[in-house]
Amino acid sequence: SQTIHQWPATLVQPVGSPLSLECTVEGTSNPNLYWYRQAAGRGLQLLFYSVGIGQISSEVPQNLSASRPQDRQFILSSKKLLLSDSGFYLCAWSVQGAAYEQYFGPGTRLTVT
Amino acid sequence: RKEVEQDPGPFNVPEGATVAFNCTYSNSASQSFFWYRQDCRKEPKLLMSVYSSGNEDGRFTAQLNRASQYISLLIRDSKLSDSATYLCVVNWEGSNYKLTFGKGTLLTVNP
Repeated sequence: SQTIHQWPATLVQPVGSPLSLECTVEGTSNPNLYWYRQAAGRGLQLLFYSVGIGQISSEVPQNLSASRPQDRQFILSSKKLLLSDSGFYLCAWSVQGAAYEQYFGPGTRLTVT
Repeated sequence: RKEVEQDPGPFNVPEGATVAFNCTYSNSASQSFFWYRQDCRKEPKLLMSVYSSGNEDGRFTAQLNRASQYISLLIRDSKLSDSATYLCVVNWEGSNYKLTFGKGTLLTVNP
């Protein structure tokens, strides 16, 4: 069966510091991968998605970037965090070209102070 | 703009009650529909896909009305464990693999 891992679970970072969040998927090959952010009291916002290694699509202009160095690894980064980057970051995967159901990792709760 | 609208609630119901959530979507060219549940401070989990003919999974029934552009979720015989936020989710035709999430409806089932 497929599993998705994210770490760390929680993170407190000062404004201006860098960020690196990692997501890995097991039990499937060539998945679509997604990064979402959920701010307090708001819906899920799609940040990036990837259909293959090195292929990243950005949904909104922001202070963040994403990379996919391996088939089942997806990384979210920032060079300098802003207060507005605080939120619940969720990685998700779906089967390539299939029914669009997405499955989420446990998330990283980021607080920028 | 492609949007998914839900009543934010909260819905407070006693155990054993039947509760229904509705969701409307703005774009008629929609392809796939889902309900997810999200427990407090946890990730969303797929509850069920919604098919044109309607579908049922135990105490949960999902309906799709394409003409009126709404989706519903009915929960019968509510349990305490059903307390969560229920998210309506739509995939737009031509949007590649992207899903659009509603902001969710909070349900609390009381003993």
